[in-house]
Amino acid sequence: GAGVSQSPSNKVTEKGKDVELRCDPISGHTALYWYRQSLGQGLEFLIYFQGNSAPDKSGLPSDRFSAERTGGSVSTLTIQRTQQEDSAVYLCASSLDASGSSSYEQYFGPGTRLTVT
Amino acid sequence: GQNIDQPTEMTATEGAIVQINCTYQTSGFNGLFWYQQHAGEAPTFLSYNVLDGLEEKGRFSSFLSRSKGYSYLLLKELQMKDSASYLCALRGYGGATNKLIFGTGTLLAVQP
Repeated sequence: GAGVSQSPSNKVTEKGKDVELRCDPISGHTALYWYRQSLGQGLEFLIYFQGNSAPDKSGLPSDRFSAERTGGSVSTLTIQRTQQEDSAVYLCASSLDASGSSSYEQYFGPGTRLTVT
Repeated sequence: GQNIDQPTEMTATEGAIVQINCTYQTSGFNGLFWYQQHAGEAPTFLSYNVLDGLEEKGRFSSFLSRSKGYSYLLLKELQMKDSASYLCALRGYGGATNKLIFGTGTLLAVQP
């Protein structure tokens, strides 16, 4: 079946504008994650959703960042009043149930490359 | 907090064996992942270690020692297509069981 998809693949925006990044997880995966990868840096955890539980927002860098997941499937990451330091590749991943001790691997999407000018 | 260290870059020869190390300091974790990431592509899963010891999967093996805060990824019979970044990640603990904390990755260049 289809893997994780993300759109757009590339986004160039002006400083101060808002952007929305979309993630379609693998069908049946209840857990969804957002990560950010800056040039020369490792992946930085942003937020994760597990079923109907409250999301873990502990990685969001500022209140300009927010995310929602509608109907337990598609997720949107919104960055308000973008800054140049927000430029990065934003990766979405999904997995089967993240609870307990299950070792379900995370399947990553191709990412959205965001450039803030 | 958690701190994960990997060498930034490594070079190896086609057909050879290479070991990529990952050391970490953490108060606790559920397991350790290794992912492969080719330039411009998404990371793909390689291995997952929960218990100490070696996990073998074809040409790739991963080792974990919790007491030493150390893991390595061993790649055998290197091929040119193995040129990629290799990411070590710790899986969360307690209430954050599936949050992954990644190291900065090791860029491996395989030469003919």
